[in-house]
Amino acid sequence: AQSVAQPEDQVNVAEGNPLTVKCTYSVSGNPYLFWYVQYPNRGLQFLLKYITGDNLVKGSYGFEAEFNKSQTSFHLKKPSALVSDSALYFCAVGSNDYKLSFGAGTTVTVRA
Amino acid sequence: DSGVTQTPKHLITATGQRVTLRCSPRSGDLSVYWYQQSLDQGLQFLIQYYNGEERAKGNILERFSAQQFPDLHSELNLSSLELGDSALYFCASSVDLSGRAYNEQFFGPGTRLTVL
Repeated sequence: AQSVAQPEDQVNVAEGNPLTVKCTYSVSGNPYLFWYVQYPNRGLQFLLKYITGDNLVKGSYGFEAEFNKSQTSFHLKKPSALVSDSALYFCAVGSNDYKLSFGAGTTVTVRA
Repeated sequence: DSGVTQTPKHLITATGQRVTLRCSPRSGDLSVYWYQQSLDQGLQFLIQYYNGEERAKGNILERFSAQQFPDLHSELNLSSLELGDSALYFCASSVDLSGRAYNEQFFGPGTRLTVL
């Protein structure tokens, strides 16, 4: 079975400060890792993914994530957060069984 | 706009009833996924169809069923509805041309189901 843990329900940062949203995963075989963002009353939007290759993945809106196989982590980062980054962030893991498992989500609040 | 459309946006019905949710994937996408999002259970994968065939099943109840039609649109049927089925139901689509599971999914705006 595969699973994702997002240990923080909420992350609060000031605008302009670095933003980190944590994610750890468990999966048999090679993981496919994703980050999605959900704004109020909207569907999820894809931010970035790791399949293979470089451990540092760059995505949309200035976000990046680092794959760490030894720590089974895939933390999402942004060097300088914006108020508009306030949203619900989901980490997800998949494997060759075609199923995607999502974490519980982390609410990010960026204060002006 | 992801290119995935879902109808209806809102649905209010009574316990014991049956409803059908509809999803049109992005043009060219062969896979359709259904998810249920609720406050207590989070985002749960229900089922995936690829080019008309069921490919993967998640936490889908026996009261629920889905299908994908030749034009690739999909329907999720929920029957004998219970209060606990109230949730946001998302459809997502992805290309999956190679048959692999690592293509990003594009989500529709969701259907909010309220069972009274």
